[in-house]
Amino acid sequence: DQQVKQNSPSLSVQEGRISILNCDYTNSMFDYFLWYKKYPAEGPTFLISISSIKDKNEDGRFTVFLNKSAKHLSLHIVPSQPGDSAVYFCAASAGLAGGGADGLTFGKGTHLIIQP
Amino acid sequence: DTAVSQTPKYLVTQMGNDKSIKCEQNLGHDTMYWYKQDSKKFLKIMFSYNNKELIINETVPNRFSPKSPDKAHLNLHINSLELGDSAVYFCASSQMGRSGELFFGEGSRLTVL
Repeated sequence: DQQVKQNSPSLSVQEGRISILNCDYTNSMFDYFLWYKKYPAEGPTFLISISSIKDKNEDGRFTVFLNKSAKHLSLHIVPSQPGDSAVYFCAASAGLAGGGADGLTFGKGTHLIIQP
Repeated sequence: DTAVSQTPKYLVTQMGNDKSIKCEQNLGHDTMYWYKQDSKKFLKIMFSYNNKELIINETVPNRFSPKSPDKAHLNLHINSLELGDSAVYFCASSQMGRSGELFFGEGSRLTVL
């Protein structure tokens, strides 16, 4: 039972354009959402996060949007650069008020390919 | 200067063997985790340790046992390896209260023949 779903296994975007990666979740208890980026043969690295009390968080070229009623979040990358080519994992956590020890529930990832 | 390091990076072994994967973090974090990425690419949590106390134990076989000699280390020991144990195992660490931001190691690819 996938509680975090990334329905697009891959996405190809032209350099300079906007990349939009989508993520859906089913667990209403999730209150913190994160995006991780992974290059081949490396571990995932934290990219950006958003708390359920917000609907948008921006960090440079990266913006995460959260729609709680739709249980949907998206990561926007603009402008897309060749170095952005990687697998992007959406992750969620429940009950983080007491700390982050419960771990994260991850989606399957979306492979973003930036075309030159 | 690697923040979360795990060894070995690659491990090929026969069914029935016992093997260990080591993990060390130098970030001063108080919580460490083991995740498994299977052939379907799902990253699933296996264990987490906080201050030497097991906090989560998902439905993993008891052939898997985490061992934490101190706050900076969380090793994964696997007994009687099976074909289905073939996967990439990621160690991670975080600081309590830091809202789930995990720092991952590079992964250890285990292949059971």
